[in-house]
Amino acid sequence: QKEVEQDPGPLSVPEGAIVSLNCTYSNSAFQYFMWYRQYSRKGPELLMYTYSSGNKEDGRFTAQVDKSSKYISLFIRDSQPSDSATYLCATYQGAQKLVFGQGTRLTINP
Amino acid sequence: GAGVSQSPRYKVAKRGQDVALRCDPISGHVSLFWYQQALGQGPEFLTYFQNEAQLDKSGLPSDRFFAERPEGSVSTLKIQRTQQEDSAVYLCASSGGLAGLNEQFFGPGTRLTVL
Repeated sequence: QKEVEQDPGPLSVPEGAIVSLNCTYSNSAFQYFMWYRQYSRKGPELLMYTYSSGNKEDGRFTAQVDKSSKYISLFIRDSQPSDSATYLCATYQGAQKLVFGQGTRLTINP
Repeated sequence: GAGVSQSPRYKVAKRGQDVALRCDPISGHVSLFWYQQALGQGPEFLTYFQNEAQLDKSGLPSDRFFAERPEGSVSTLKIQRTQQEDSAVYLCASSGGLAGLNEQFFGPGTRLTVL
């Protein structure tokens, strides 16, 4: 079992829709949770991070962590074609090592 | 204000050839990481440097993989006797801090295809 599991999709939604992306993780010791966005033929870029449980909002993006169920979510409101990318959830294992989910490929159709 | 750069961007190797992949981190960044990303998968950790010291190489898949950062800046990932299963995108990331958790900034990757 991988330490971070993510539905690979692909996911295709119309412009303006609310998108929900999800991951589960296995180790209750994980504290920091990140969402990265990766455009085709580019490296991942950090979108948001949260510490422990709770919500964090940044513009159209909301990250949510439920430590009791080991569940991580990213919500995108008013989705735009420019949001089309692969979204990766990740956490830190130890001090520096990032552990990623498989990535969900998202397409927003105009 | 350049980000992390990697070269070459694309590399095609015949099975059995040796390859060398270069990473130029953001200037002044202490920590440097290598990840391997297979097609349709998330990146997987290979190794980590703090300055010139390789502190963690637990993710290197075999002794054919070797990484170095001799002057604490540029890093090279070398793969000897390449195999088809080595085909992947190799990502380099750097971060500025020594202690605690610091954002890792990723380069565009080198796409390696082994024929």
